[in-house]
Amino acid sequence: AQKITQTQPGMFVQEKEAVTLDCTYDTSDPSYGLFWYKQPSSGEMIFLIYQGSYDQQNATEGRYSLNFQKARKSANLVISASQLGDSAMYFCAMTLTDSWGKLQFGAGTQVVVTP
Amino acid sequence: DAGVIQSPRHEVTEMGQEVTLRCKPISGHNSLFWYRQTMMRGLELLIYFNNNVPIDDSGMPEDRFSAKMPNASFSTLKIQPSEPRDSAVYFCASTLTGRDNEQFFGPGTRLTVL
Repeated sequence: AQKITQTQPGMFVQEKEAVTLDCTYDTSDPSYGLFWYKQPSSGEMIFLIYQGSYDQQNATEGRYSLNFQKARKSANLVISASQLGDSAMYFCAMTLTDSWGKLQFGAGTQVVVTP
Repeated sequence: DAGVIQSPRHEVTEMGQEVTLRCKPISGHNSLFWYRQTMMRGLELLIYFNNNVPIDDSGMPEDRFSAKMPNASFSTLKIQPSEPRDSAVYFCASTLTGRDNEQFFGPGTRLTVL
């Protein structure tokens, strides 16, 4: 069975600094997708970025980039130039291609951006 | 685009009562997912549908939970009878089946069972 691990329960980052959120995964399936979602205090789940297991390049979406290291089975999220509005819970999730959409989530990392 | 719509947004009920949560997926999406979020267990998938057919309900906690998708634009999650341990935020999400497509989540229903 696949497993998602986020080892950082919480972290503080100063405004305008970059922050890296760790995510490791465990699966023997060669075909999978990795996602990051943001959950602000208001509760909604906001899709941030996606990386496919066969993608050669690291995914980027604006200030978000995914540092995909397949051999290490890690998919870290990098947020550049942090803003106060980035304060939220961040979840890493994985799905396998043969059951696409069946997301398994990590425990999440709480990020607090300080002025 | 209205996004995924869930109702009610908040529900407070007493133990033993029946609770029905509703979801309208994004038009054109053919996969629908029900998740539950609690402090203790995090986000967990309860059940998902593909083209209105339940594909995997292995996450449904017990027989008190049931879900239906009578058509492409509507799904319900029912708890009967409800128990205090069912208190959680229930999310519905939808996607277009296919590799690389992300899921879009609804705003969630916060359920409190007294």
